[in-house]
Amino acid sequence: GAVVSQHPSWVICKSGTSVKIECRSLDFQATTMFWYRQFPKQSLMLMATSNEGSKATYEQGVEKDKFLINHASLTLSTLTVTSAHPEDSSFYICSARDTITDTQYFGPGTRLTVL
Amino acid sequence: AQSVTQLGSHVSVSEGALVLLRCNYSSSVPPYLFWYVQYPNQGLQLLLKYTTGATLVKGINGFEAEFKKSETSFHLTKPSAHMSDAAEYFCAVLKAAGNKLTFGGGTRVLVKP
Repeated sequence: GAVVSQHPSWVICKSGTSVKIECRSLDFQATTMFWYRQFPKQSLMLMATSNEGSKATYEQGVEKDKFLINHASLTLSTLTVTSAHPEDSSFYICSARDTITDTQYFGPGTRLTVL
Repeated sequence: AQSVTQLGSHVSVSEGALVLLRCNYSSSVPPYLFWYVQYPNQGLQLLLKYTTGATLVKGINGFEAEFKKSETSFHLTKPSAHMSDAAEYFCAVLKAAGNKLTFGGGTRVLVKP
C-alpha cells in the first residue's frame, strides 16, 4: 500500500515552454501533498504544500507564478513549471501525506532538463 | 524551530559489517522521526518511523533505529551490510501532528565488497 506515482519520470523541454508534472496517490486519499526540488548530491528542498480544494502554500523564495500548483482531487496534484529556463532543470519529487498515519509517501521523482 | 543533523555525509562500510548512520534532531515538542532511503534517480522510500511507544523501531530491509530522547538522537543501524544497501539515507523530523518534514542533509552509503 501507500504508493505515489509521478508522471512523467523525465522530460526535456525547450527554454520558454511550460511543463506539467503529475503526482498521484494510488491507494489512499491525500488532502495534502508536497512538492520538493532536489539538486545533485543535496537534500530535498520543500517548494510548496499542496492542499486539496484550496491554494497552495509556498515556501519563502519560491515563485508561485512560476511554479503553479493545482490539487483538484484527493488523489492528484500537479506542478506546472511555466516559462522554463535552464536553471529550472532539477529533480522534482512529490509526496502525499497519509493523514491516518501522519506519514509522507514519496513519488519516484521527475527529472526536468530545460535546454 | 526544528532541525535535523546527520553526522557524516558519506559512510563507507564493508559488506557484512555494521551500518551506523547518525541522526540528531532539535525540536521543542516530541517529534515524529523518519528514515528514508533514496536510490539513484528515484524517489524516497520509507525505511521506518517513530511516533510513540517502543523506542526501538524495526523497519524494512533489516534496518532499525532507536529513539533516545535524552540524546535527541535517532540513529539508524543494520547489523550486516549488503551491496544493495548502497544508497542515500535521509533522516527527517515531523513535529507531532504537524505538516512539514524537516530533512537532514543526507548520508551516502558506499558498500565495499
